[in-house]
Amino acid sequence: AQSVTQPDIHITVSEGASLELRCNYSYGATPYLFWYVQSPGQGLQLLLKYFSGDTLVQGIKGFEAEFKRSQSSFNLRKPSVHWSDAAEYFCAVGKGGKLIFGQGTELSVKP
Amino acid sequence: KAGVTQTPRYLIKTRGQQVTLSCSPISGHRSVSWYQQTPGQGLQFLFEYFSETQRNKGNFPGRFSGRQFSNSRSEMNVSTLELGDSALYLCASSLGSDSDTQYFGPGTRLTVL
Repeated sequence: AQSVTQPDIHITVSEGASLELRCNYSYGATPYLFWYVQSPGQGLQLLLKYFSGDTLVQGIKGFEAEFKRSQSSFNLRKPSVHWSDAAEYFCAVGKGGKLIFGQGTELSVKP
Repeated sequence: KAGVTQTPRYLIKTRGQQVTLSCSPISGHRSVSWYQQTPGQGLQFLFEYFSETQRNKGNFPGRFSGRQFSNSRSEMNVSTLELGDSALYLCASSLGSDSDTQYFGPGTRLTVL
């Protein structure tokens, strides 16, 4: 069965600190992987996506993610978090018009 | 280009009623997908329409239905509303191939009383 697991429901980091959000997936074929961010009351905004090729993917707002096939992981990283990064982050797997999402990780940023 | 728009943004209904939500995709996009977001179940895929045909379907009861028009606009209908249907309903549009990104609208917040 296709599934996505985000083990951390809530993470708090200090502004300026580094960030890593974890994502593990189960998918029968070569996965297409995504990270989206959602601010309160808003829709989802795409941060980055992986289809093939280089396993380190750069996204918007200084985010990057690394695809590790052997670990079935697609972790999101940012070297220095800003207060405006506080939001909920969703990892997703899928193709075409059907995405399967993880439960999300809520990020809080301490001043 | 204008983004994905959804109307209405907020809706309050009572149990047993039906509701129709509308989604206008980004110009040129032929695929529209619908998702339900709740605190308990998270983001769940409802269905996808491509060129007026349902191409993918999630695991929701038949009370949830949709359609797509020739201009790619899509509507989602929920009949015989239940309290558990209270959710944020998000639609997303894309060009329609496997590798295309889905762009999400702001959602319609449905409250069932």
